[in-house]
Amino acid sequence: EDQVTQSPEALRLQEGESSSLNCSYTVSGLRGLFWYRQDPGKGPEFLFTLYSAGEEKEKERLKATLTKKESFLHITAPKPEDSATYLCAATQNYGGSQGNLIFGKGTKLSVKP
Amino acid sequence: KAGVTQTPRYLIKTRGQQVTLSCSPISGHRSVSWYQQTPGQGLQFLFEYFSETQRNKGNFPGRFSGRQFSNSRSEMNVSTLELGDSALYLCASSLGQYNSPLHFGNGTRLTVT
Repeated sequence: EDQVTQSPEALRLQEGESSSLNCSYTVSGLRGLFWYRQDPGKGPEFLFTLYSAGEEKEKERLKATLTKKESFLHITAPKPEDSATYLCAATQNYGGSQGNLIFGKGTKLSVKP
Repeated sequence: KAGVTQTPRYLIKTRGQQVTLSCSPISGHRSVSWYQQTPGQGLQFLFEYFSETQRNKGNFPGRFSGRQFSNSRSEMNVSTLELGDSALYLCASSLGQYNSPLHFGNGTRLTVT
């Protein structure tokens, strides 16, 4: 069964304490791996798309990487405003379509000042 | 540029009733997807429309249906509501091209009593 698994479920960091979020996937024919951020009461906000193993993308304090089995979201020197739920999602080449994302259940990140 | 707009934001319905939710995509986006988000299951794909045609459908009962209009606006309908249908319903739009990211609205919170 195609699935995306995220760990940990929740992560509490002190401001400035760097860490990584994990997303492992078992998807037949990965087409793309997406990271989203979701704030309470809002819809997910797009962060990154990764297409192939070895690819990396950065945005401010966030850096996403992709291997053949998993993706990592590295957060460097986080600030309280980085607190949110981070979602990982995959699309597949076989039987999937552009709008059909397989989502993980997310990692809830809390950054304390 | 205006984002994805979903109406209404909140809805309370009784078991057995039906409900229609509305979504206006980002201007120029031809693909609209719908997702159900619950604390237990996370985000689950309902269906995707592209140029008024359903391109893909998730594993939900036939009580869940949708449509897309010529201006790309979309509606989803749930008939014979059940308590388990209580959830946040999210609409997302995209250009519909290879790996173009989904942009989500802030959802409609449906409560079934």
